[in-house]
Order: sequence, then C-alpha cells, then structure tokens
Amino acid sequence: RKEVEQDPGPFNVPEGATVAFNCTYSNSASQSFFWYRQDCRKEPKLLMSVYSSGNEDGRFTAQLNRASQYISLLIRDSKLSDSATYLCVVNPSYNNNDMRFGAGTRLTVKP
Amino acid sequence: EAGVTQFPSHSVIEKGQTVTLRCDPISGHDNLYWYRRVMGKEIKFLLHFVKESKQDESGMPNNRFLAERTGGTYSTLKVQPAELEDSGVYFCASSLGRTVTYEQYFGPGTRLTVT
Repeated sequence: RKEVEQDPGPFNVPEGATVAFNCTYSNSASQSFFWYRQDCRKEPKLLMSVYSSGNEDGRFTAQLNRASQYISLLIRDSKLSDSATYLCVVNPSYNNNDMRFGAGTRLTVKP
Repeated sequence: EAGVTQFPSHSVIEKGQTVTLRCDPISGHDNLYWYRRVMGKEIKFLLHFVKESKQDESGMPNNRFLAERTGGTYSTLKVQPAELEDSGVYFCASSLGRTVTYEQYFGPGTRLTVT
C-alpha cells in the first residue's frame, strides 16, 4: 500500500466551480500534513498546511481527519489559474522534515 | 533573495555513464533534501542533510547513488553507473530548520534521461 494515496484525476471543471480533492495516508503516526501545488514542469510549491481543526485560506479550505487518516482540499470559485497538479504531502516525523508525497491530482479549470 | 537552484536543468546520458547533479540551497539553510520523481510515480524522498552531515539517507535506492555536501553549502548527487530506471526529475529542497514548522523550498529540478 502506498504511504499517501490521492484521486488521480484528472478533474476538468468550469470556471467558478467548486472542486474537492481527497487523500489518505497509511502511517497513523504521521505528524504534519500539507497541500502542495505543482505547475507543469515546475517545482512543487507549498499551498497550505493542514491542521486538525481545519483551515481556510481565501478560496481554499483544508481538512484533516486523523481517525480516518484522511485529508481534503476544497477549492471554491475555481479560476483558470488554479489549473495545476495538487500534491498531498505527509510528514511522518516532527523532527525530520522528510516528506511523503502522493502522486498528485491534476486539475484543469476551463473557461 | 535567490531561491534553490539546480544544475543542469536537463541531462541526457547513456546507460553506464556517470552524471553529477548539483543543488545550491537558499543561503543560510542548513537543511537540504533530495527527492526524485520517476515517470508516472510520486515524488520520493532520497535523503536529508543537516549542514554537511547526512541526517537520513533511507530513501537512496542503491549504492550507485552518492550524495555529498562538503562544507555544508551546495550538494551534489552522483549516479554511477546510470541505469535506465534512473530517468526522472530530481528535485532539491532546502529549509531553515529541520522540524515540520519550517517550509521546504524546492528547486526547479534536473530532468535526467538515461538512454
């Protein structure tokens, strides 16, 4: 079983749509959780950290369910510029920032 | 401030040859990480330096891979001899601290093709 599993997509949505990505992780002792964004042939960039209480940053909302080992990302009012691959990232240890990546979910927002 | 830089951006080599990838972290970042993404797979952790010391090299696939960070500044990742399955994108990242509270900043990657 993979350490981090994501919906492979692709997700093709119109502008203004709401889209949700899901992710599960296998290591119940995992400490930290993130969503990264990766544009085509570019490096991954941190989109947001995910906290147990859930957190929101503008149009983006991230949720964590430790009991189910499940992470989600909700994008509201999608923009063309949101088109990218979204990577679910889990860190198994607090003291060593050695991250475990999901394979990514590709999103295309169309006019 | 300059970000993480990697050199070369692309490399095409034949099976059996040697290739050395270089990563220059953000100035002052003691923590440096190597990751790679092979075709169709997820990005995978290779190793982690704290200054010049290898903190964790559990992700290194085999002894054909050698990473160094002499002086605790830039790092090199050598593949010798290269095999076809080594093809992929090699990312370097750096962070100011080693705990999860410190964001990792990624370089643009080196795309390695072994033919």
